[in-house]
Amino acid sequence: GENVEQHPSTLSVQEGDSAVIKCTYSDSASNYFPWYKQELGKRPQLIIDIRSNVGEKKDQRIAVTLNKTAKHFSLHITETQPEDSAVYFCAAILSGGYQKVTFGTGTKLQVIP
Amino acid sequence: GAVVSQHPSWVICKSGTSVKIECRSLDFQATTMFWYRQFPKQSLMLMATSNEGSKATYEQGVEKDKFLINHASLTLSTLTVTSAHPEDSSFYICSAPRTSEGEQFFGPGTRLTVL
Repeated sequence: GENVEQHPSTLSVQEGDSAVIKCTYSDSASNYFPWYKQELGKRPQLIIDIRSNVGEKKDQRIAVTLNKTAKHFSLHITETQPEDSAVYFCAAILSGGYQKVTFGTGTKLQVIP
Repeated sequence: GAVVSQHPSWVICKSGTSVKIECRSLDFQATTMFWYRQFPKQSLMLMATSNEGSKATYEQGVEKDKFLINHASLTLSTLTVTSAHPEDSSFYICSAPRTSEGEQFFGPGTRLTVL
């Protein structure tokens, strides 16, 4: 089955700096890679996603890059703000048939004002 | 976007009792729903895949006789934790895909505390 590793487990940055979270996956058949933000006691919230036919996607301060050959993808948050503080999870999915989500281990991001 | 609800949002029960958690897709039909368990400061771990009209598929290490899943309609899946013990205390979340594109829609979660 799919295995997703995520690093770092914790990340502290000063407000305004950039944050980068990296994930690797094992199943080369996975083709959909969402990133979720989860606040304490709440459901995961999709913040950006990328499909295997795309190398990079950006949405305002958030960007995701995908390297299919190396089987890794990264989340980039620029100009971080205190409200970005949360736990972030990457995930890998084989879409096309209601496949299950395999989550990374999570990164607790703290943005220091 | 698609909406998935869960009920209850939190429940406290005594050890040895059973607890039922409902997951509903409110504005779309879901032939498949997923159940996850999340312990404090950990990731979401898939417990089982709920299939409408057929048996659920359980992940390795998840006791099917303890975590009963029923997916009786295209909008409702239930997870029953039988003979609950304190170690079953956790945050249980369901999700459902609306299409085959992979995007999941999550329920708000149920906080289970077993005394």
